[in-house]
Parts: sequence; structure tokens; C-alpha cells
Amino acid sequence: QKEVEQNSGPLSVPEGAIASLNCTYSDRGSQSFFWYRQYSGKSPELIMSIYSNGDKEDGRFTAQLNKASQYVSLLIRDSQPSDSATYLCAGLNSGGYQKVTFGTGTKLQVIP
Amino acid sequence: DVKVTQSSRYLVKRTGEKVFLECVQDMDHENMFWYRQDPGLGLRLIYFSYDVKMKEKGDIPEGYSVSREKKERFSLILESASTNQTSMYLCASSLTGSHGTQYFGPGTRLLVL
Repeated sequence: QKEVEQNSGPLSVPEGAIASLNCTYSDRGSQSFFWYRQYSGKSPELIMSIYSNGDKEDGRFTAQLNKASQYVSLLIRDSQPSDSATYLCAGLNSGGYQKVTFGTGTKLQVIP
Repeated sequence: DVKVTQSSRYLVKRTGEKVFLECVQDMDHENMFWYRQDPGLGLRLIYFSYDVKMKEKGDIPEGYSVSREKKERFSLILESASTNQTSMYLCASSLTGSHGTQYFGPGTRLLVL
């Protein structure tokens, strides 16, 4: 069973701080990873994808991938109250069919 | 922009009813997926389809069936709705060769009484 593990939180950070969200995955053959943001009662929205080891930056968001450690992280700089949501980590399964395994999500609370 | 739409945002049905949930995507994606999401359990894959008329079981297919007669449309059917099928249902689609990036519809919150 392919797994993606995340701490459920809540992770509380003050406004303006850096929020650090982490996940680990079990499928060593997985090549693509995603971070989705999900507001309460809404559907997941893709915010970052990463396919290579290292960092990928997009605005206030930085995704980090370490395939050797099977570890993915998301940093949110200058956190805003509007960033308060659940963040889902996901990885593309190896073995075909384009299936993705999702973690259960980390709830982030940004305190004004 | 990829657009995935679902037929209803909220639905209330009675136990034993047959329920149809429809999903349509406008980006010519080959792959379409149905998930349900429950508190504490995350997203669980019910069925997926990688081509017209093709379907594969996901992790929790029991009590569900699907239909994909056209590339843009993927339907989820609850043959005889039960209270334990009360959930948020999410449809997603992806393009083969796009690293598996999935785009979600707005979701249907189904309540079975």
C-alpha cells in the first residue's frame, strides 16, 4: 500500500512568519509530488508541484523534495490569515495509471 | 485554465435511492477520478478511468459503479444509497504525460437520510 504521511496539526504560526509543512512517502518509485490547499468545505486547489530533488519557488511558496529521504516539504513565507487551510501532500504512484496518493492533510492556522 | 465541473454542490437523498453524480472536464484529459473525502480519512479513490469506456476500481469501490461514455464526462452511480455513503464526493482529471497533475471539481456534498 503506497502511503503519504503528514502531521494532521493544527500548525499555528503568527502572521508574517514562515510556515513549514512536511510529508513523507513510501513509494520509492514516485517521481512527482504535489501540494494542494483546501479551504473548509471546498475542493483541493493545486498550489505547487515538484519533480526534481531540491527547491522550487513560486511567490511566497517553496516546495522542497529529497528523494533519498522520501521527504517533501512546503514553506510558506510571510504567512497571511488567508493561508489558513488544510494542506494536502500527494505523490504520483509508480506503476502506471496516473494514480495519486494523498496524505490526510495538515491544518494550518495563521494567527493575526 | 482547466475546468472540472460537477452536477450538484449539495444533494440530499433517501436510503435505497439510486444516485447519479456527474463530472465534466473541458481540457481533453484522458484520466478521470472519483474520490470521497471524510474527516480524518482523507481522500479515498473510488474508481478511475484512463480512457472512454475504460474503468478501474480504486480503493473503495463497493457500493459504487461508474460510467464513461464520452471522454469529457465521468459519472459515479450509487446503486442503492446508504447512510454510510454520506460524504463529500470529489471528481478530478489529469492529462497523461503531465506528471499526473490532478485538477479537482468543486465537489458534491451528499447527505443520505
